[in-house]
Amino acid sequence: EAGVTQSPTHLIKTRGQQATLRCSPISGHTSVYWYQQALGLGLQFLLWYDEGEERNRGNFPPRFSGRQFPNYSSELNVNALELEDSALYLCASNHEGGATNEKLFFGSGTQLSVL
Amino acid sequence: GESVGLHLPTLSVQEGDNSIINCAYSNSASDYFIWYKQESGKGPQFIIDIRSNMDKRQGQRVTVLLNKTVKHLSLQIAATQPGDSAVYFCAENIGSSNTGKLIFGQGTTLQVKP
Repeated sequence: EAGVTQSPTHLIKTRGQQATLRCSPISGHTSVYWYQQALGLGLQFLLWYDEGEERNRGNFPPRFSGRQFPNYSSELNVNALELEDSALYLCASNHEGGATNEKLFFGSGTQLSVL
Repeated sequence: GESVGLHLPTLSVQEGDNSIINCAYSNSASDYFIWYKQESGKGPQFIIDIRSNMDKRQGQRVTVLLNKTVKHLSLQIAATQPGDSAVYFCAENIGSSNTGKLIFGQGTTLQVKP
């Protein structure tokens, strides 16, 4: 069974541009979570989607947004990129029927570099 | 406040020895805890979890201990192997609200010496 897949693996943008990151959850998983991992730091919660709806967002500016599609895949958009947005962006999903946050399975992430 | 802290940013152990990675949490309302392993260039990999109604849980070569009195969590790895070298994160879920948010610690780097 395929795990959580994210694309692209690397993304280089310049300040002010927009970035779009994509995530496909494990088949059967309906919840998708996005986390930011800046270099040398722990993971910071960004967004949670479930059944196509945004359920919660972390302490990030509105420049960070996303959506979940009917097939449960998800997209993270970052507008007006700033240098400090450079980080590894991780997507995770839950097993079907799992409670919120239980046994999140992570993808390998998208490394976003803002120049 | 919201914080999960890890004792010691780096732990170096000899191959074959047991490793203990510690984690302190601050929110007494946390009801679920997870340990993740992150190897270079990869996303975090689920290791083991524990609910707050348990004190101990064992997996394959790993044991998680939870001490709610002092808000302390530890991960024990038996017979540490070179493949265990990675950054280990503890994370907590605050049970008082269904936010979808896990609070992660800063990570402990485990180095296994051959």
